[in-house]
Amino acid sequence: QQQVKQSPQSLIVQKGGISIINCAYENTAFDYFPWYQQFPGKGPALLIAIRPDVSEKKEGRFTISFNKSAKQFSLHIMDSQPGDSATYFCAAESVNDMRFGAGTRLTVKP
Amino acid sequence: DAGITQSPRHKVTETGTPVTLRCHQTENHRYMYWYRQDPGHGLRLIHYSYGVKDTDKGEVSDGYSVSRSKTEDFLLTLESATSSQTSVYFCAISSMNTEAFFGQGTRLTVV
Repeated sequence: QQQVKQSPQSLIVQKGGISIINCAYENTAFDYFPWYQQFPGKGPALLIAIRPDVSEKKEGRFTISFNKSAKQFSLHIMDSQPGDSATYFCAAESVNDMRFGAGTRLTVKP
Repeated sequence: DAGITQSPRHKVTETGTPVTLRCHQTENHRYMYWYRQDPGHGLRLIHYSYGVKDTDKGEVSDGYSVSRSKTEDFLLTLESATSSQTSVYFCAISSMNTEAFFGQGTRLTVV
């Protein structure tokens, strides 16, 4: 069963717009929620991460919102840029386990 | 880049042949993972290791085996490759519940 569900599968945003990607998880044992960014031909790399003791974390143009009771979290990219065009994966981790969402392909049009 | 290297980077093999992919780290991280990446499925966990000789199955482990005889090396073996195992394989390393570092991936084609 898919333990982390991510939506949408693809997203097209105009330059300067806001990109929003959502994830939901099943296992309440997960206690670390990172987002990874992947460019073609490369491995994923950490973008930003949150732990469940906070509801929001912001780093520059990237913000994670976390709702523990709903078991949902989302990535917001403000002022989206063409260089943000990539595939984004949410993930959920606990001891000995790291599961990923199916990915969102983001395209930011100039 | 974190000290993680996958080899080979590309491989074409025939159906029914055994294939071994290697992941090597220089970071001394406890956890090592093997994922496969396929369109529409994201990254799916094949096997993982939480220490030397300590391994466990992930969500898509059928047809795969792993070994970790040293902290720095994690091997993924396809005992008898099938076309459904054509994929891009990623190794990742991490400490407990922290950032994972990924290798550059191995593109495997089974013909």
